[in-house]
Amino acid sequence: EIVMTQSPATLSVSPGERATLSCTASQSIDNNVAWYQQKPGQAPRLLIYGASTRATVFPARFSFSGYGTEFTLTISSLQSEDFAVYYCQHYYNWPPWTFGQGTRVE
Amino acid sequence: EVQLLESGGGLVQPGGSLRLSCVASGFSFSTYAMTWVRQAPGKGLEWVSGVAGSGDSAYYADSVKGRFTVSRDNSKNTLFLQMDSLRADDTAVYYCVKNSGYIALREIFEYWGQGTLVTVSS
Repeated sequence: EIVMTQSPATLSVSPGERATLSCTASQSIDNNVAWYQQKPGQAPRLLIYGASTRATVFPARFSFSGYGTEFTLTISSLQSEDFAVYYCQHYYNWPPWTFGQGTRVE
Repeated sequence: EVQLLESGGGLVQPGGSLRLSCVASGFSFSTYAMTWVRQAPGKGLEWVSGVAGSGDSAYYADSVKGRFTVSRDNSKNTLFLQMDSLRADDTAVYYCVKNSGYIALREIFEYWGQGTLVTVSS
C-alpha cells in the first residue's frame, strides 16, 4: 500500500498570502496524484490532477508541481473561500487508492 | 450537470447490514466507473470500493473486503453498496463518486455526492 503523507497538518495564513502544501508518497507514483478541497459540511471537490491540470471550477491561483514522490500545491494569494482542508490522493497502478491525512488551511 | 444522490444511511447495530444507493444523473452512467469513499467523523478520506462501468470488475479496501459488496444497475443509473457484518469503525459519511474513466483503475474522482451517514452503534 502506498502511504501519502501531507504536511503541515495545519497551515495558518492571512488572506492575500501564499500557501504551500506538501504531499509525499512512500514510493514513486509518477504524476498520478490528485488534490481535493473540502469545506466544512461539504463533500470534497476535485481540485487538480496529473502534472498540473486544474479542474475547471478552480482559478489560476491554484497550481501544482512535483513528480515521483514529492508534490506541492500552491495557492498564490489566498482568498477567503480558499480556507478549507486539502487532501492529496494517488491513483497509481493498483488499489488501494490512498489519501493523505489532509492539511487544514486556516 | 452531474448529480449524485446517496441514500440508505442510518443507525444500525454492530453485526447488522445496510444497503446504500446512489442515483446518478447528468452523464452517461454506464460508461463511467464509480467509487465509494468514506469519512469517519472528524477524520480523513478512505477509499472503500470501486466498480467498472460494466459492473464486471470491482475492487475493495482490505478493511471492507468480504463484508461489503459494490454493484450497479445501469438501466436505473444506480450504484449500490451492500454492507454486512458492520462494525463500529465503519461509522462514517459514505460518498458516491464518479470516476474519470471506465475501468475503475488509475482514475481520478471527478464528482462527489453529498454523502450519507452510516452510524454503527448499539
